[in-house]
Amino acid sequence: DAGVIQSPRHEVTEMGQEVTLRCKPISGHDYLFWYRQTMMRGLELLIYFNNNVPIDDSGMPEDRFSAKMPNASFSTLKIQPSEPRDSAVYFCASSLARGTLHNEQFFGPGTRLTVL
Amino acid sequence: QKEVEQNSGPLSVPEGAIASLNCTYSDRGSQSFFWYRQYSGKSPELIMFIYSNGDKEDGRFTAQLNKASQYVSLLIRDSQPSDSATYLCAEDTGRRALTFGSGTRLQVQP
Repeated sequence: DAGVIQSPRHEVTEMGQEVTLRCKPISGHDYLFWYRQTMMRGLELLIYFNNNVPIDDSGMPEDRFSAKMPNASFSTLKIQPSEPRDSAVYFCASSLARGTLHNEQFFGPGTRLTVL
Repeated sequence: QKEVEQNSGPLSVPEGAIASLNCTYSDRGSQSFFWYRQYSGKSPELIMFIYSNGDKEDGRFTAQLNKASQYVSLLIRDSQPSDSATYLCAEDTGRRALTFGSGTRLQVQP
């Protein structure tokens, strides 16, 4: 398997522009997670899906952030409008539910977002 | 307040020594715990997970869990310079999403 795939790997945009980040989970995995990582706040969960349904979006910082999962093999995280404080590395991760204690999550390579 | 606490380091050990990384958590309902390794500029990579009290060994790595004291540790035996990275501790309270600590930076000196 190719692992979790994210695109783009790097994104530089100007404040106020719309940004769309994309993720393809590992085939067969039924959970998908979006995280954001910064030096100040570490790795934070933004939202996660189970079988394409959003389960918890309490980590989404503002209404400017939205996420969708139209099918089992694709998810997007959109920021509109973007602000300089959104600059971070955004990771997508996926896992397969194999029981309540087995929740190994596998991370994609991340998208480094810079908002000028 | 962060639910998972780690010393940010850096923790510096000589090559061949045992590196001991520690993590405490506040939620007694936490069911399982994970150690991820993250090299600079890379994504987190799963090393081990543990959910039972006691030790779990995998090669040079040993994870230890003490639920009564609410701490998790990771021991790396025969440390190598290639082990130099940030180690993230994470907990799963049963809701599937992980809460990560801020990570401990490990430096293995040749």
